[in-house]
Amino acid sequence: SQQGEEDPQALSIQEGENATMNCSYKTSINNLQWYRQNSGRGLVHLILIRSNEREKHSGRLRVTLDTSKKSSSLLITASRAADTASYFCATDESGNTPLVFGKGTRLSVIA
Amino acid sequence: DAGVIQSPRHEVTEMGQEVTLRCKPISGHNSLFWYRQTMMRGLELLIYFNNNVPIDDSGMPEDRFSAKMPNASFSTLKIQPSEPRDSAVYFCASSSLGQLNTEAFFGQGTRLTVV
Repeated sequence: SQQGEEDPQALSIQEGENATMNCSYKTSINNLQWYRQNSGRGLVHLILIRSNEREKHSGRLRVTLDTSKKSSSLLITASRAADTASYFCATDESGNTPLVFGKGTRLSVIA
Repeated sequence: DAGVIQSPRHEVTEMGQEVTLRCKPISGHNSLFWYRQTMMRGLELLIYFNNNVPIDDSGMPEDRFSAKMPNASFSTLKIQPSEPRDSAVYFCASSSLGQLNTEAFFGQGTRLTVV
């Protein structure tokens, strides 16, 4: 079953612009993670935010978490053509259960 | 470590044939997951193992699907007999469940086409 649902399903922006992707989930979580998938490749972990955190940064990535709304956002600043990929949120309910993934946002960054 | 290794990368088979997908997890990880990815359904968890023991196979779509993990460094996902609707990309991932805030490491996937 799907836990996280990303929004939008697809996003197309110009190089240099910021890209924002949102994720909503249904149950309580231990942490929420964002992954990236290039076409034809496996998923790669980008960033993890714990349930007691509200914001986290990693390079050009900024993740926010609002547990009261059961939602998270991933912001990629100053996007590059190489950021073109699908981005997935995944929720970890307890640390002892598998990640549950959303269907992803397909990001296209046009040079 | 070379990461999670899956084989084959691509498999084309005829309906009714047996298909075996293979996975070598990252050494030291205690958990292994098999996911299936399709455009319609996204990334679905099929089954996962913890310390080589199957914990939850509720995502396995039918009895035609089976998975084994005979040791900590190897797992297989078998489909017998295969059907066209099994066409998808199958991913294996490993992690260290039970340790707070751990990430999953994915293999490159096996793209299965059943004709």
